[in-house]
Amino acid sequence: NAGVTQTPKFRVLKTGQSMTLLCAQDMNHEYMYWYRQDPGMGLRLIHYSVGEGTTAKGEVPDGYNVSRLKKQNFLLGLESAAPSQTSVYFCASSSRTGGVSDTEAFFGQGTRLTVV
Amino acid sequence: GDSVTQMEGPVTLSEEAFLTINCTYTATGYPSLFWYVQYPGEGLQLLLKATKADDKGSNKGFEATYRKETTSFHLEKGSVQVSDSAVYFCALSDQGKGMRFGAGTRLTVKP
Repeated sequence: NAGVTQTPKFRVLKTGQSMTLLCAQDMNHEYMYWYRQDPGMGLRLIHYSVGEGTTAKGEVPDGYNVSRLKKQNFLLGLESAAPSQTSVYFCASSSRTGGVSDTEAFFGQGTRLTVV
Repeated sequence: GDSVTQMEGPVTLSEEAFLTINCTYTATGYPSLFWYVQYPGEGLQLLLKATKADDKGSNKGFEATYRKETTSFHLEKGSVQVSDSAVYFCALSDQGKGMRFGAGTRLTVKP
């Protein structure tokens, strides 16, 4: 059982280049999330999805776009990369959120992105 | 909006010392609370959780109690090991909007 898989694991971009990060989960989870992790700031939610075909903005959505065409995949796109987007990106999925019976979020291994 | 504040690190302890990492939260509703752990080069793993007031989450010798009156969820362990060295994140569920995380606390345990 692979859980949550992110590709690529590392990437270096030049300012202005574009790229797509792929997240795949094999747990049939409804919810998927993209976070960025920066030193001293914990994880901040970029975008999330509550189901196939739906997406919503999180805390820091500017400069990113997402798509959830298939339930198991959640793509994060950077149309024109900036040095401020240098970070470690984590994808996560969960079967439910909110309410009394919250379940845990399962995380991928992360993608380290450097924009020069 | 909902938020989490946790004790800033880094924290350095000797093996077998007692550990406390403080976490407080602000929420409009009744969130579930979580502690996640991140080992070097890895993603986050759930350590423990509590879904309602007075619940105690526990795992691998770690414990945390959901205190509604003080809006806290402090992480404790009676005797830490070198293998506990990691970054610990407190988090709450923000209904329908994913989890909110604290800034993380780096723990180093020395032999």
